[in-house]
Amino acid sequence: GENVEQHPSTLSVQEGDSAVIKCTYSDSASNYFPWYKQELGKRPQLIIDIRSNVGEKKDQRIAVTLNKTAKHFSLHITETQPEDSAVYFCAAGETGANNLFFGTGTRLTVIP
Amino acid sequence: DAGITQSPRHKVTETGTPVTLRCHQTENHRYMYWYRQDPGHGLRLIHYSYGVKDTDKGEVSDGYSVSRSKTEDFLLTLESATSSQTSVYFCAIRERAGELFFGEGSRLTVL
Repeated sequence: GENVEQHPSTLSVQEGDSAVIKCTYSDSASNYFPWYKQELGKRPQLIIDIRSNVGEKKDQRIAVTLNKTAKHFSLHITETQPEDSAVYFCAAGETGANNLFFGTGTRLTVIP
Repeated sequence: DAGITQSPRHKVTETGTPVTLRCHQTENHRYMYWYRQDPGHGLRLIHYSYGVKDTDKGEVSDGYSVSRSKTEDFLLTLESATSSQTSVYFCAIRERAGELFFGEGSRLTVL
């Protein structure tokens, strides 16, 4: 099955700086890569996703890049704000398949 | 919130007792999932359903069973709870394009 590794496990940045979280995957058949944000005590919420037919996708301060050859994808958050503090999970899977495989999460802390 | 509700939201039980968690959705989604979340493991799939009475195992299905007698309800049962099943359980539905949306979670503590 798919194996998703996520780094770093914790990340602290100053407000206004950028944050980058990286994930690798093992199954070349995976073509769908979502990112979830989970605030303390809340449900994971989808914040952005990318499919294998594109290399980059942006949504305001959030962007995701995908390198299919190297089997890695990354989340980039620019101009970080305290409300960006949360645990972020990457995931990988095949569109239409019945499982998404999740990374182990990155706890991001934005220091005011 | 994709119309997903979980119950109970919190439960404390003793080892060896049966436990059932309920996931209810209001938007007629075909695919429903149960995940567990544990520190250091992220989210792991327990079981999923692709229609009424159609279910299959995920990566951590041992000790769990599921049932789906109606489109809107997906039940997760622990026949005899163990301390290793202490976890936060999330139900999810899948949109047509593949996006997963999660319920609010059910925190289970097995003493």
